[in-house]
Amino acid sequence: DAEITQSPRHKITETGRQVTLACHQTWNHNNMFWYRQDLGHGLRLIHYSYGVHDTNKGEVSDGYSVSRSNTEDLPLTLESAASSQTSVYFCASSRGGPDDEQFFGPGTRLTVL
Amino acid sequence: QQQVKQSPQSLIVQKGGISIINCAYENTAFDYFPWYQQFPGKGPALLIAIRPDVSEKKEGRFTISFNKSAKQFSLHIMDSQPGDSATYFCAASMWKLTFGGGTRVLVKP
Repeated sequence: DAEITQSPRHKITETGRQVTLACHQTWNHNNMFWYRQDLGHGLRLIHYSYGVHDTNKGEVSDGYSVSRSNTEDLPLTLESAASSQTSVYFCASSRGGPDDEQFFGPGTRLTVL
Repeated sequence: QQQVKQSPQSLIVQKGGISIINCAYENTAFDYFPWYQQFPGKGPALLIAIRPDVSEKKEGRFTISFNKSAKQFSLHIMDSQPGDSATYFCAASMWKLTFGGGTRVLVKP
């Protein structure tokens, strides 16, 4: 069955370290998204991609970067982790239309000490 | 600046009761309004969605009411069941989703 996976599921790191969170989908979806979820803030968009080699900044992109070298993967990199980036991170994908359903991964809980 | 405001943050309802969650948006360019349901430890999943040319949409026990002039929409969960206990997010879309802050619903047996 097609799916979207995230790894690792849990990560503890130290301030200043570079961290990369993986996202992989097997639906062949064009669109992929990264969100962070914090209590009271819902889900906030970090970066998104509408296809290979396309990346765009979301509303909370500072300190994060993405690259899209193939259809299946959109890794999220924290260049220099900060305690404010402690959060639960969700990856999502959708087929390609503006209102196509987004399918979410299981999330990665990141703690920055 | 939060473009989609959701209330309440949490609610408790008895089994069989009605759960009502409200959302308000600011940007009139939004043209698609989905609701997502999230269980603990899982990613959100699409529950039901509506477009602004429709005032109401019903799917089973879940109904969206939409008021375009007031820029408000709401989710009604009829005959609430313990299995409906989850966090619900409204969202508004203009090519990408903007989410409300979420409502944690607890249905007591």
